[in-house]
Amino acid sequence: DQQVKQNSPSLSVQEGRISILNCDYTNSMFDYFLWYKKYPAEGPTFLISISSIKDKNEDGRFTVFLNKSAKHLSLHIVPSQPGDSAVYFCAASGGSNYQLIWGAGTKLIIKP
Amino acid sequence: DGGITQSPKYLFRKEGQNVTLSCEQNLNHDAMYWYRQDPGQGLRLIYYSQIVNDFQKGDIAEGYSVSREKKESFPLTVTSAQKNPTAFYLCASSVPGLAFNEQFFGPGTRLTVL
Repeated sequence: DQQVKQNSPSLSVQEGRISILNCDYTNSMFDYFLWYKKYPAEGPTFLISISSIKDKNEDGRFTVFLNKSAKHLSLHIVPSQPGDSAVYFCAASGGSNYQLIWGAGTKLIIKP
Repeated sequence: DGGITQSPKYLFRKEGQNVTLSCEQNLNHDAMYWYRQDPGQGLRLIYYSQIVNDFQKGDIAEGYSVSREKKESFPLTVTSAQKNPTAFYLCASSVPGLAFNEQFFGPGTRLTVL
């Protein structure tokens, strides 16, 4: 039972345009959501997060939006740059559990 | 420089052999984790430890074992009982007790069983 789903395995975007990566979750107990970026043969690195008490968090070119009623979050990257080409993972945590529940990832390809 | 080191980066073993993957952190984090990543899948939790001398099974612990004798070290042993051990293994650490559980990752070890 996948509690965190990233339904798009890959996404191709033109350099300079907006990249939108989506994530859906099923567990209403989740109260923190994180996005990680991963290059091949490396560990994931933290990108941006959002608490369930907010609906938007912005950090430079990266903005995460949370729609609690739809149990959906999205990561917007504007403008997209070649270095953004990577796999992006959505992760969620909730309650007293220290675990992060991970989506399967979306491979973002930025075309020049 | 604070961080997490995993060694080796690439590891080859024959089928039936046990192998131990190293993970060391100097971030002074209490919690440490082992994940496995397979192509097209997210990270799956093998074991985690919230404090020294204590650890819990994750979702796919069968065929693996861990120890946590020191705060900075959390080695993972892949035993011969693990049916499909070839994968990319990631170690992470975090500060437990925070609502925001950001985990910091090492560079990973790619294990190939021949």
